Parts: sequence; C-alpha cells; structure tokens
Amino acid sequence: SQELEQSPQSLIVQEGKNLTINCTSSKTLYGLYWYKQKYGEGLIFLMMLQKGGEEKSHEKITAKLDEKKQQSSLHITASQPSHAGIYLCGADGTGTASKLTFGTGTRLQVTL
Amino acid sequence: GAVVSQHPSWVICKSGTSVKIECRSLDFQATTMFWYRQFPKQSLMLMATSNEGSKATYEQGVEKDKFLINHASLTLSTLTVTSAHPEDSSFYICSARRNGGYTFGSGTRLTVV
Repeated sequence: SQELEQSPQSLIVQEGKNLTINCTSSKTLYGLYWYKQKYGEGLIFLMMLQKGGEEKSHEKITAKLDEKKQQSSLHITASQPSHAGIYLCGADGTGTASKLTFGTGTRLQVTL
Repeated sequence: GAVVSQHPSWVICKSGTSVKIECRSLDFQATTMFWYRQFPKQSLMLMATSNEGSKATYEQGVEKDKFLINHASLTLSTLTVTSAHPEDSSFYICSARRNGGYTFGSGTRLTVV
C-alpha cells in the first residue's frame, strides 16, 4: 500500500510569515491531492497535481509535485489566521478501483 | 458543484447499541463511496470502499462485521456501527468519487457512552 509521510507534523508560525509543508510518498504518485480541514469538520479541497514538475497556485497557496512524482510541497505565503487548520495530502492510483488515502497530516497554527 | 450530504453530524449512543450514518450524493450518482475514520489529532484512515450493488471492500484491520456498509442505490451509502463501544467513538467521514476528484461529507462525530 502507498504510504504518505508529511512533515512537519505541526507548525506554529507568526502571521505574515511564509511556510512549507512536505508530503513524501513511498511510491510514484498518480494523483496527489491537498486538502485543508478543521478538526471535526469536513475537508476543503485545495489542489490536485498529476504531472511531474506541475505547480498550481490559488490565492496565497502554491502546491508543487516534483519531477519524479514522489514528493509534493504546499507553500503558503504571508500566512493569516484563516490558514490555520490541518493540512492533508492524499494520493490515489489509476483505474476504477483507485482509492484516496491520506498522509499523516500537518497541524498549522498561525499566531497574531 | 458536487455535494455529499452526511447525517447525522453528531450522535451520542449507549454502549451496546448500533448507530447508522448516511452518506448521500445530492446532485450526482456515486457508484463508489469511501468511509474514513479520524481520531483526535490524527489523519483520516480509510476504512472501506462502498460499491453500489456489491459488497464493500474493507481495509486491513477493519472489522467488517462491526462496521456494516450498505450501498443499495447510486446516491446512498450507509455505515452502521454495530454493538458500539466507547473505543468506537470517533469522527467518521464519507466521500464520493466523481470526475476524477473526491467530494467529502461534513462528517459525523460519534460518542459512545
């Protein structure tokens, strides 16, 4: 089975600072997803990457997938309190039997 | 956009009773749905894949007799926690696959007392 390791496990940053969360896979990634969650609530889809070297941005969040498709990073620029939450990377495979499994998660706190 | 509705959002039950959680796709047909469990301060753990019209596929270590999954229609999957015990208290969340992506329900917080 595919294992996804996220680092760091938790992160506390001051408002306005930049930060990066990493997601490393034990296998080549087919589809890599980034979600945000506040514990006890549903997941908010952020971005999905498929191609090696792909990079996507939305507002102040940028996600990248490396050329080898085994590592992804999520970068937040000028963090705000609204960015606080749990960030999860997820991966699925090919075919109709594919399923989405998640990384270990990164808990982000943004201080004023 | 695609919406997945999950009910109830929270439930408290007595130890030994069973609890049913529903997951509905509101504006699309979902042949495949997924059930996850999340403990405090942990990530989501995939429990099983729910397939419309056939048996669910359970992940290793998940008791299929305890977590009964039924996917009788293209818009509804249910998870029943049978003979619930305090250790089953957790956050359960479902998702449905559509057009290459995944849409999640808002989750159910189960507390067994």
